Amino acid sequence: EADIYQTPRYLVIGTGKKITLECSQTMGHDKMYWYQQDPGMELHLIHYSYGVNSTEKGDLSSESTVSRIRTEHFPLTLESARPSHTSQYLCASSESRGRTDTQYFGPGTRLTVL
Amino acid sequence: RKEVEQDPGPFNVPEGATVAFNCTYSNSASQSFFWYRQDCRKEPKLLMSVYSSGNEDGRFTAQLNRASQYISLLIRDSKLSDSATYLCVVNRYSGYSTLTFGKGTMLLVSP
Repeated sequence: EADIYQTPRYLVIGTGKKITLECSQTMGHDKMYWYQQDPGMELHLIHYSYGVNSTEKGDLSSESTVSRIRTEHFPLTLESARPSHTSQYLCASSESRGRTDTQYFGPGTRLTVL
Repeated sequence: RKEVEQDPGPFNVPEGATVAFNCTYSNSASQSFFWYRQDCRKEPKLLMSVYSSGNEDGRFTAQLNRASQYISLLIRDSKLSDSATYLCVVNRYSGYSTLTFGKGTMLLVSP
């Protein structure tokens, strides 16, 4: 089992609130990722990081931001939540092994914005 | 055209049946291939990597055809616990490595 944690697991919040979704891993992985997944749909990469102080936007445009100040921690922030942000957010990490990285996922945060 | 395409199913099979899923990918630069399993409202978990020569892990067999850009997963002797969505996943490397996920194929195994 992978040691990657996300909090909160479920969050219901009103429009306009600032929220931070936490993700941490204890495996010492250098790469971390955030995906967004709507029910019945595929995962879309929204952010990734290849190490401390490195962050990049993924394939799907997102209004969220991320930071990577510590190797083990990769929080995602929404400055002003909107109903369109309602989704499941999955964090993942992987260890660099050449060109093949196996990604391990956290349990996800299910966000509902009212 | 989506980068990774799968039949969404559901595939309804009885226990003990053999079932096969297919997946096609459009980016010929894809280098690594995986099958992940995702239970309802849970996170994806790696089922197995897919190698060019084909590989087997217990009841599961994966095949890759690079010429046709086609990946398959065969499950033999299906168990109730195999009920899940199976995600075809392709890794691209162009200076950095990213995964592209298919929408998944749902499998329902009944008693």
